[in-house]
Formats: sequence, structure tokens, C-alpha cells
Amino acid sequence: AQSVTQLDSQVPVFEEAPVELRCNYSSSVSVYLFWYVQYPNQGLQLLLKYLSGSTLVESINGFEAEFNKSQTSFHLRKPSVHISDTAEYFCAVSGASGAGSYQLTFGKGTKLSVIP
Amino acid sequence: DTEVTQTPKHLVMGMTNKKSLKCEQHMGHRAMYWYKQKAKKPPELMFVYSYEKLSINESVPSRFSPECPNSSLLNLHLHALQPEDSALYLCASSWGQGALKTQYFGPGTRLLVL
Repeated sequence: AQSVTQLDSQVPVFEEAPVELRCNYSSSVSVYLFWYVQYPNQGLQLLLKYLSGSTLVESINGFEAEFNKSQTSFHLRKPSVHISDTAEYFCAVSGASGAGSYQLTFGKGTKLSVIP
Repeated sequence: DTEVTQTPKHLVMGMTNKKSLKCEQHMGHRAMYWYKQKAKKPPELMFVYSYEKLSINESVPSRFSPECPNSSLLNLHLHALQPEDSALYLCASSWGQGALKTQYFGPGTRLLVL
């Protein structure tokens, strides 16, 4: 079985400050990791993903995440946030084997609030 | 293009009504999903279709009835819903069903059951 823990339910941060949203996972098999963002009253948008290769992945809007196998983490970072980054962020994992391997297991989400 | 469209955006229905939600994608994806999302919670998987066949039903009540008429279209038929079914219903699609297959989500239909 796999699970995802997002350690912070809410993260307030001032505009132009750096931010880190934490995500830890547990799985007994190889995993694939995703960050999705949900703006108010919208659906989920894929922000970035780790499937294989370089452990540092980047999105087009300045976010990055690093897959750390030894710490079972996939934290999301941005060096300077904007008001428009205010949203709910979900970390998700899918496993490489098992009957439920197609399933995305979501964390509970982190609400990022950017303060002007 | 990674677009999944959903209609309607909003829906209000009574407990005796019958309505349908529609989801469409033109990316050639062969797996499609329905999720239910309550406020301040992550999405919960309801159904998975793979190659137009229902492959997963996560013990969803029969008042929700999915249908996949073709590879681009996914419907969710609603009948005799309860107020607790009010939620955001999200559709997603992926190239296939498997861990490596990234799921792309639509904007959702916000449903209110009175």
C-alpha cells in the first residue's frame, strides 16, 4: 500500500518570499510522484511530475521539486512566490505494481496563501 | 494539448431529478476517470474506464451510473441523489491505465443537491 503525507495543511507566506511545501510518501515499491495545483473554484492542474531520471524536476512557472528516495520525500519549492500562486497544492503518488498501481493516492493538500 | 472539458460547470438538482455530467477529451487517451471532491479534501476515485470498458468501481452507490460511449467521451448519470452527494465532480484522462500514466484533469462540475 502507498500513502502520502503533506505535513502542513496551511502555509502563509509573504509575496516574493521563498516557500517549501512538504510531501512525504510511503511505498514498498517504486513510485511515481506528482504535484497538482487547484486554484479556487477550478479543477486540478498538473504542476510537475517525477517518473524517472533526474531527481530535480521543474515546472514552467518557477516551481521545482526534488525526489529524495532516502528521505522518501518530494518537497515542492519556489524561490519567490506571487499572489497568483495562492491555491491548494496536492502531492500524489502512484505505485509501480500491485492491483491498485494505476491509482493516484493524494495527500490531504496544502493551502498556500500569499500575503501582499 | 492536454485539455479535458466538462459540462455543465454548475448543476443544481433535486433529489428526484435525473441529470448527466459530461466529460470529453481529444488527446487519444484510453483511460478515463471520475473523481468526487468534497470541500477542503483531496479527490476520491469513483470509476475508471480503460478502453471504453469499466475496470474499476470503487463501491460507488448505484445512484451514480457511468457510461463511456466512445474513447473520447465519458458520462456520469445521476438519479435520486442525496444532499451529501453535493461536491465537485472531476473527470480525468490518461494514455492508459498504469502507474506511469499521468492523469490530466478537467475543470470539474460543481453539483448541489437540494
